[in-house]
Amino acid sequence: KNEVEQSPQNLTAQEGEFITINCSYSVGISALHWLQQHPGGGIVSLFMLSSGKKKHGRLIATINIQEKHSSLHITASHPRDSAVYICAVSSGTYKYIFGTGTRLKVLA
Amino acid sequence: DTAVSQTPKYLVTQMGNDKSIKCEQNLGHDTMYWYKQDSKKFLKIMFSYNNKELIINETVPNRFSPKSPDKAHLNLHINSLELGDSAVYFCASSPSRQGIETQYFGPGTRLLVL
Repeated sequence: KNEVEQSPQNLTAQEGEFITINCSYSVGISALHWLQQHPGGGIVSLFMLSSGKKKHGRLIATINIQEKHSSLHITASHPRDSAVYICAVSSGTYKYIFGTGTRLKVLA
Repeated sequence: DTAVSQTPKYLVTQMGNDKSIKCEQNLGHDTMYWYKQDSKKFLKIMFSYNNKELIINETVPNRFSPKSPDKAHLNLHINSLELGDSAVYFCASSPSRQGIETQYFGPGTRLLVL
């Protein structure tokens, strides 16, 4: 069992839908990161969280430290949001432990 | 200007060959990383260097040898390539070794071993 689990693994949505991707972890963490990997392969960091909630444009990330759970929400989804979304945690040291990713496809 | 660059972008080679992948960052960061992404898109750390010093070496075969000539460069040399080495290799950097900072990723090197 991975130390970082994501759900769902795959998600197809219609344009405009509200999307939620979940991440649960089983280790103590110093921070949680949400990354986006586009079909072209590049990886971009979206958020880094250690508590509470962050918002950037249509993206919102929340974390509940007690429950060891984080969610990434996308409001008014668009086909250009189609990507793999990866949750990663920094656990005590300087390395990331990655989730298995959620492959999102938004249909026009 | 590209923040974290890798060369080559694609690498196709025969089993048994030796190859190198280069990584450079112009962000002034102290820490650099190599990650391997397998066919199922799962990312796993391989190595990390902080100011040219090796700080993470996960259970990677010793056919893989990282080299950091200076803190802006972290190269990955692979000896005796095997089919299972086929993957995408990502380099990344972060300001320090705290683990609570954003990491910046290179574009990846797609390695195919035939």
